[in-house]
Amino acid sequence: DVKVTQSSRYLVKRTGEKVFLECVQDMDHENMFWYRQDPGLGLRLIYFSYDVKMKEKGDIPEGYSVSREKKERFSLILESASTNQTSMYLCASSSWTGLYEQYFGPGTRLTVT
Amino acid sequence: QKEVEQDPGPLSVPEGAIVSLNCTYSNSAFQYFMWYRQYSRKGPELLMYTYSSGNKEDGRFTAQVDKSSKYISLFIRDSQPSDSATYLCATDSGAGSYQLTFGKGTKLSVIP
Repeated sequence: DVKVTQSSRYLVKRTGEKVFLECVQDMDHENMFWYRQDPGLGLRLIYFSYDVKMKEKGDIPEGYSVSREKKERFSLILESASTNQTSMYLCASSSWTGLYEQYFGPGTRLTVT
Repeated sequence: QKEVEQDPGPLSVPEGAIVSLNCTYSNSAFQYFMWYRQYSRKGPELLMYTYSSGNKEDGRFTAQVDKSSKYISLFIRDSQPSDSATYLCATDSGAGSYQLTFGKGTKLSVIP
């Protein structure tokens, strides 16, 4: 079974702090994704990566950056957290052969106060 | 244009009922169609994956795609309280994009 893990389930940070969210997958998947999920807005793609050190912007990249130094690990960085970044953050991964079969982690609920 | 429409519900049914969940999409170029189940405070779980038109069955779940009407459905037979969750439909975004386009989800409650 594919396993995608995220570093924290719940996180509380203050406005202006730098926040790191980490995601690890154990299925040797090439592609990794970061989404945020908000009530009424659904799932929105922030960034994705199709290879180590490669990244592409999704629909809402502003205020975020990402890092992929190893194939199994994809980090989301909030350079200066703001209250409108309070959300559920979900990481996903997929392989080249199953590009659209994305497997999600359990999510990190981030609250910025 | 990438858009998937899904009735948010909530939908409440008695245990044992047949449930029909539906989405419409706008772009005829979409080829891949997925259904995800998301329990409260958890990540989405891939339930069904279909390519192009037709039906796919997996136990009590059947996914159906009608490309002529741009309509995708998930049927749940003999629904159970454990099926209570939010169901998200998703499509590819066409043109070789890596991205999925998600519906906003339908919240289902199966009442014992």
